[in-house]
Amino acid sequence: KQEVTQIPAALSVPEGENLVLNCSFTDSAIYNLQWFRQDPGKGLTSLLLIQSSQREQTSGRLNASLDKSSGRSTLYIAASQPGDSATYLCATYGNKLVFGAGTILRVKS
Amino acid sequence: NAGVTQTPKFQVLKTGQSMTLQCAQDMNHEYMSWYRQDPGMGLRLIHYSVGAGITDQGEVPNGYNVSRSTTEDFPLRLLSAAPSQTSVYFCASSYIAGGGDTQYFGPGTRLTVL
Repeated sequence: KQEVTQIPAALSVPEGENLVLNCSFTDSAIYNLQWFRQDPGKGLTSLLLIQSSQREQTSGRLNASLDKSSGRSTLYIAASQPGDSATYLCATYGNKLVFGAGTILRVKS
Repeated sequence: NAGVTQTPKFQVLKTGQSMTLQCAQDMNHEYMSWYRQDPGMGLRLIHYSVGAGITDQGEVPNGYNVSRSTTEDFPLRLLSAAPSQTSVYFCASSYIAGGGDTQYFGPGTRLTVL
């Protein structure tokens, strides 16, 4: 059974800092890995989807990497801003989507 | 283009009551799904549908029913509400079944069962 773990559970950084969010998974037999953003009281918004054949995906200040062999993915956020404050969730897709519990990010101005 | 819409946004029920959570999408997606989100846990799949007339169980289906009579709508019915069903419920849709494609989520329904 796939298990997805996100560390840390919460992170507080000053504005402008570069940061890395971590996601680990136990079963490497996945088709893709996805990163989502969730604002308080809102639904999830898809940020990046990395296919199993890819190593990374980039969108603006976000870069996500995938290492299936080690069961790890990272989400890199460059030059963080207060508007980046949210919960970030990763999910793997094998025969279904399995979500991690998320990392709560606070960027202080 | 409204995307995925859910109603109601908030609901309080008493134990044993039944209700239907509504979900609709206007993107002509075949795949739709229902998740619940509990504190400290990731989203867990309740039921899903790969097209009109086709539904199947997810990870935590007990106590919930679904139907899919049209491509657009995918309601979730609580048969006899229990306090353990207090949660935030999200509906999602995508072009491709499962998670092989970008998932679009609704804003959620926050349900409290007393």
